[in-house]
Amino acid sequence: SQQGEEDPQALSIQEGENATMNCSYKTSINNLQWYRQNSGRGLVHLILIRSNEREKHSGRLRVTLDTSKKSSSLLITASRAADTASYFCATGPPGGSEKLVFGKGTKLTVNP
Amino acid sequence: DVKVTQSSRYLVKRTGEKVFLECVQDMDHENMFWYRQDPGLGLRLIYFSYDVKMKEKGDIPEGYSVSREKKERFSLILESASTNQTSMYLCASRIDSFYGYTFGSGTRLTVV
Repeated sequence: SQQGEEDPQALSIQEGENATMNCSYKTSINNLQWYRQNSGRGLVHLILIRSNEREKHSGRLRVTLDTSKKSSSLLITASRAADTASYFCATGPPGGSEKLVFGKGTKLTVNP
Repeated sequence: DVKVTQSSRYLVKRTGEKVFLECVQDMDHENMFWYRQDPGLGLRLIYFSYDVKMKEKGDIPEGYSVSREKKERFSLILESASTNQTSMYLCASRIDSFYGYTFGSGTRLTVV
């Protein structure tokens, strides 16, 4: 059962520009996470934001969470060609369930 | 650095064969997961395990079984492979719901 839905499905930008991806979800969450996947590889965990947090930073990444709107955004600043990948949001249900539910991803292309 | 290792990157099997996909983690994590990833469908949870010999069905367990005899190893078994099981299979582990998943590199299985 898909919970998160990323928007846009695909994004193409120039190196140095900022990239913003959005994630909307339907039900209450314990936390929301963002992952990156390079073509044909496994996913890499980027950042986790808890339901009582509104914003989190990690290097060039900034994640926001608005639980009233059931949405999150991932901002990558000063993008590089190496940021080209698919980005997924994943939601952790309340109650401490171990299962994450992933969206279908945003495919980001950063052109040199 | 923590690692999740999947035994094969690519596998080609015949319809009706019994297929074993192996996953090993070196982080002493309690929780392990098997997902499959298909274009347009995203990641779907097949099975997960929160302890040795414990398992729970995910969203699409039909046609699969799992085994967790030791904490570090979680095997996915296709009892009788079918062409609709051609997919990318991703194994992941994590300590608990406050942390992100660590994924393996994936196994691309083709059933002919």
